[in-house]
Amino acid sequence: NAGVMQNPRHLVRRRGQEARLRCSPMKGHSHVYWYRQLPEEGLKFMVYLQKENIIDESGMPKERFSAEFPKEGPSILRIQQVVRGDSAAYFCASSPLQGSNNEQFFGPGTRLTVL
Amino acid sequence: GDSVTQMEGPVTLSEEAFLTINCTYTATGYPSLFWYVQYPGEGLQLLLKATKADDKGSNKGFEATYRKETTSFHLEKGSVQVSDSAVYFCALSGGQGAQKLVFGQGTRLTINP
Repeated sequence: NAGVMQNPRHLVRRRGQEARLRCSPMKGHSHVYWYRQLPEEGLKFMVYLQKENIIDESGMPKERFSAEFPKEGPSILRIQQVVRGDSAAYFCASSPLQGSNNEQFFGPGTRLTVL
Repeated sequence: GDSVTQMEGPVTLSEEAFLTINCTYTATGYPSLFWYVQYPGEGLQLLLKATKADDKGSNKGFEATYRKETTSFHLEKGSVQVSDSAVYFCALSGGQGAQKLVFGQGTRLTINP
């Protein structure tokens, strides 16, 4: 069973460009979470999605950031008009069931660098 | 809101030393508690978890006990190895019925041979 897959692993963008980060959850998992890790910091929750629904976006910046998890295909985290402060590692995690004691399985992350 | 506070790093130990990384939390309700480990350039891997008070999570020689009275979940290992060098994150979920993980700031551990 393949783990959580994220691509690209590394992404370089210039200020003002768009960044699209993709996450394919583990097979059979219908819950996806996105987290952001700034250098030398812990992970901060951004958004929680189930298939076709955003369940909790309380950690998502109000502007320029959006996320989706369509019925078919990977979950996408989209950052429009990137700024230097968006440089970070973005991790996706998936879980099979709802419930706070269910383990979240993490992908390897996408490291975004904004020039 | 919910929060997790971890022992400041970095921590450097010699091989076979005893390890403790302190973790305390603030949460409403009855959260589940986790320790995750991150090796260089990789994502996070679950190391152990505990879902209710007095539960002990254990894996690969690491242990942590869910202490409700002191709101703590300290990570311990009796004899560390060079391969244990990594960043360790304490986390909780479900404190306010939420599914998201709330992480501490991480503790970088280096083990010297």
